[in-house]
Amino acid sequence: GESVGLHLPTLSVQEGDNSIINCAYSNSASDYFIWYKQESGKGPQFIIDIRSNMDKRQGQRVTVLLNKTVKHLSLQIAATQPGDSAVYFCAENGPANFNKFYFGSGTKLNVKP
Amino acid sequence: DTAVSQTPKYLVTQMGNDKSIKCEQNLGHDTMYWYKQDSKKFLKIMFSYNNKELIINETVPNRFSPKSPDKAHLNLHINSLELGDSAVYFCASSRTGTYGYTFGSGTRLTVV
Repeated sequence: GESVGLHLPTLSVQEGDNSIINCAYSNSASDYFIWYKQESGKGPQFIIDIRSNMDKRQGQRVTVLLNKTVKHLSLQIAATQPGDSAVYFCAENGPANFNKFYFGSGTKLNVKP
Repeated sequence: DTAVSQTPKYLVTQMGNDKSIKCEQNLGHDTMYWYKQDSKKFLKIMFSYNNKELIINETVPNRFSPKSPDKAHLNLHINSLELGDSAVYFCASSRTGTYGYTFGSGTRLTVV
């Protein structure tokens, strides 16, 4: 099956700094990507998505960048806050798998006060 | 509250037992899923139902049997539980024509 992986399993940042979480994917045919946030004891929560025809998408304090050439996805969080502490997953959905997402192994973000 | 709700939240049971986890969504979604999250936080899809029809069935032991009595419910029954079944099981739902899921808060299954 497809492989979605993250470079950094744990990331520690100072409150107020910007955070960057990276993700590599293997299926060049994947056409849709989502970043999820999972807080302790909760289910994953949608943060932001991007289609393969875009290379950047911005939300509130978050930006997702997609580099299809190297099959790389990143999530940037501006002015990181303690409430951002969680595990972050990228997930990819291939063109023939409308309802089937493959998740990466997750990156734990620790925000230090 | 509109949500995907799972019961129970915690389940501790002995090897060899049979147990069920229930999931209900009141979001009006027509597709529901079961995912398994292991101790390393890796999430893997197990099953998916669309309007009560099984559409995704990953390589999962046949001890696991999903059942969808209607499109708002998807239950997971597990026979002859093994130690390796210990994990957090997440239910999720989505609407046809849209991407992305709404997840439940998970059921932590511990087999002893």
